[in-house]
Amino acid sequence: DAKTTQPPSMDCAEGRAANLPCNHSTISGNEYVYWYRQIHSQGPQYIIHGLKNNETNEMASLIITEDRKSSTLILPHATLRDTAVYYCIVRVPPGQKVTFGIGTKLQVIP
Amino acid sequence: GAVVSQHPSRVICKSGTSVKIECRSLDFQATTMFWYRQFPKQSLMLMATSNEGSKATYEQGVEKDKFLINHASLTLSTLTVTSAHPEDSSFYICSASPSGVGSDTQYFGPGTRLTVL
Repeated sequence: DAKTTQPPSMDCAEGRAANLPCNHSTISGNEYVYWYRQIHSQGPQYIIHGLKNNETNEMASLIITEDRKSSTLILPHATLRDTAVYYCIVRVPPGQKVTFGIGTKLQVIP
Repeated sequence: GAVVSQHPSRVICKSGTSVKIECRSLDFQATTMFWYRQFPKQSLMLMATSNEGSKATYEQGVEKDKFLINHASLTLSTLTVTSAHPEDSSFYICSASPSGVGSDTQYFGPGTRLTVL
């Protein structure tokens, strides 16, 4: 799986959009970009994934650059409950293990 | 989304005893499940891949005789920490993905906090 690079920490004001970047410059053509988050002392939670096109669901939006070397996870209106560690992962399904980096610790500030 | 459960959520045991942790996929079948552990302020580290009906595949440095994995059905995998010691105290997390689904999203359990005294 390709490596990813994320900033170790970010702050975001409550109610504002949180934009979490991820660099995956060595991504291969058949590798997907997945985002998970882990709230303290809980298991990781799936957020969203994509291959080439931008994706949106009820939790977030995923913007993937045209060259696929980077992506941004957008939480449109961050709440205090969004405070968590966010992991950007690149992998080839199916049935492949998920390798976690250190992620980005997002702190939503009141 | 798909739900993965773990039992127990928290366990405290004496040094030298064995502890079994269950991981269940509640609303889907999973040919493959994964076991992770997470030490404080660290990321998740993959321990092993659990395959239904066959032997588990362990990551380098993980002792297969100490961390016994059984994947007896398409909805249940168990991790047994044998002869646990204080250094085995950690947060153990399993994951699974629905069999036969193309996008292969991994769903994670809530984790089991093991404390060995």
